[in-house]
Amino acid sequence: DVKVTQSSRYLVKRTGEKVFLECVQDMDHENMFWYRQDPGLGLRLIYFSYDVKMKEKGDIPEGYSVSREKKERFSLILESASTNQTSMYLCASSLTTSGSYEQYFGPGTRLTVT
Amino acid sequence: TQLLEQSPQFLSIQEGENLTVYCNSSSVFSSLQWYRQEPGEGPVLLVTVVTGGEVKKLKRLTFQFGDARKDSSLHITAAQPGDTGLYLCAGGGNEKLTFGTGTRLTIIP
Repeated sequence: DVKVTQSSRYLVKRTGEKVFLECVQDMDHENMFWYRQDPGLGLRLIYFSYDVKMKEKGDIPEGYSVSREKKERFSLILESASTNQTSMYLCASSLTTSGSYEQYFGPGTRLTVT
Repeated sequence: TQLLEQSPQFLSIQEGENLTVYCNSSSVFSSLQWYRQEPGEGPVLLVTVVTGGEVKKLKRLTFQFGDARKDSSLHITAAQPGDTGLYLCAGGGNEKLTFGTGTRLTIIP
């Protein structure tokens, strides 16, 4: 079974803090994704990576950066957290060669910025 | 921009009833996935359909991909409280999926 883990289930940070969200997958997937999920807005793609050290902006990259130094690990960084970044953050991975684009998700990190 | 509209947005039914939720788009997708998400958890993949007209069954759940690969439906027979959750469809055509707006299903015991 594919396993995607996220470093924290719940996180509370103060405005202006630098926040790191970590995601690890154990299935040698090339692609990794960071989404945020908000009521009424659905899943929105922040960034994705299709290879080590490669990244592409998603639909809402402002205020975020990412790092992928190893194939299994994809980090989301909030340089200076703001209250409007309070959300559920979901990491996912997928295999390029599957042809079906199935994504496998982690359990999510509920981030609250106060 | 590809959009996937799901209907209904909310559905609350009694245990034992049947239901269908829909996922519609004006775009063609090469594959379509259905996910179920429980509160506080990440979405879990239920099924992938790739061929127009394809029907897949997963116990009491039946998934269908439209002939033109623009739409899909999920039918649940004899719904149970364990079916409660947010159902998301997602269309694939490249590495990035397009997610639907979601159907929040509540099964009342």
